[in-house]
Amino acid sequence: SQQGEEDPQALSIQEGENATMNCSYKTSINNLQWYRQNSGRGLVHLILIRSNEREKHSGRLRVTLDTSKKSSSLLITASRAADTASYFCATDNQAGTALIFGKGTTLSVSS
Amino acid sequence: EAEVAQSPRYKITEKSQAVAFWCDPISGHATLYWYRQILGQGPELLVQFQDESVVDDSQLPKDRFSAERLKGVDSTLKIQPAELGDSAMYLCASSLRSSGGEQFFGPGTRLTVL
Repeated sequence: SQQGEEDPQALSIQEGENATMNCSYKTSINNLQWYRQNSGRGLVHLILIRSNEREKHSGRLRVTLDTSKKSSSLLITASRAADTASYFCATDNQAGTALIFGKGTTLSVSS
Repeated sequence: EAEVAQSPRYKITEKSQAVAFWCDPISGHATLYWYRQILGQGPELLVQFQDESVVDDSQLPKDRFSAERLKGVDSTLKIQPAELGDSAMYLCASSLRSSGGEQFFGPGTRLTVL
């Protein structure tokens, strides 16, 4: 079963615009991660935010975490065509040893 | 830069045949994961190894799937017999520890069962 649910399922924007994706989850977590997957490829880790953190930045990425609402958001600023990919949030499982992924948000950035 | 290696990248087989996938994790990574990803979905864990031991195989269909990591390094995932519903991307990942931290993924094996 999948813990996280991303929203929206698909997002289309122009280059230079910001893209925001949301993730909701069901049970308490130790940390939440975001991954990117280019079409037909493996996943690449983007950022990890711990349950005691509220916001984290990495380059053009900004992640927020609201444990009271069991939700997280990923903001990509000044998007580029190369950002076109699927983005997944992942939370640790009950044992804290593996990841449970959401269904993902497909982002299309056109030039 | 160290990467997780997987082979083959693509596999087409007929139902009832046997298939096998291979994964070589990043050197020094004790934890290895096999995921299955159906088109349009996120990856779902099939099996997790800590060194050569299985930590979690609760989602592995054991009547047809098997996985091993004999020397605690590379791993093989086998399906016998393959069914139409097994068509998916099979992803291998590794991590330093089994604590739910960052995982490093291979490029995956795209399986098509005809």
